[in-house]
Amino acid sequence: DAGVTQSPTHLIKTRGQQVTLRCSPKSGHDTVSWYQQALGQGPQFIFQYYEEEERQRGNFPDRFSGHQFPNYSSELNVNALLLGDSALYLCASSLWGHASTNEKLFFGSGTQLSVL
Amino acid sequence: TQLLEQSPQFLSIQEGENLTVYCNSSSVFSSLQWYRQEPGEGPVLLVTVVTGGEVKKLKRLTFQFGDARKDSSLHITAAQPGDTGLYLCRGSTLGRLYFGRGTQLTVWP
Repeated sequence: DAGVTQSPTHLIKTRGQQVTLRCSPKSGHDTVSWYQQALGQGPQFIFQYYEEEERQRGNFPDRFSGHQFPNYSSELNVNALLLGDSALYLCASSLWGHASTNEKLFFGSGTQLSVL
Repeated sequence: TQLLEQSPQFLSIQEGENLTVYCNSSSVFSSLQWYRQEPGEGPVLLVTVVTGGEVKKLKRLTFQFGDARKDSSLHITAAQPGDTGLYLCRGSTLGRLYFGRGTQLTVWP
């Protein structure tokens, strides 16, 4: 039973470039959430996808966009990269319909993005 | 402003010592989760507490949810090097979920 897988594991980009990160959820899960974790900080919620639609969004600019595919996998796109976008990007999967109080997230190992 | 404040930010102890880390907020949370994150990995869920005053035990880890559901603590007995990691709390309030910044625990052999 594969857990949450993310690719690539590491990525180096320069300011102004665009990046796409990928995530495959845990088998049986239908909901994907993306988080940004800066060094020494807790994960910050970017957005959540279910049934190929963005369901919730955190306080992130429109440069951050996403997509979910029919097989539940997801992509995170960031345009016009800034130095401050350097962080670990985590994907988490869960089951839609579980009450938020009992939502159990399974995280991937993340993509470490460095913007130079 | 962090909705969930975790303390201490860093903790460095010797193997065998006991420790407690805290997660506090001015908001009431309907539930609270604790995660542990090791370097190069994503966070892994340890426990969910939902009832004020609830205490849950996971081997040497004891989790408590405050009576008013505004705070939580994690106590580790006889810490081991394998306990090293970033301990994160995550709370649910008003339909949204928030992570704290975490406590970085290092246990030296």
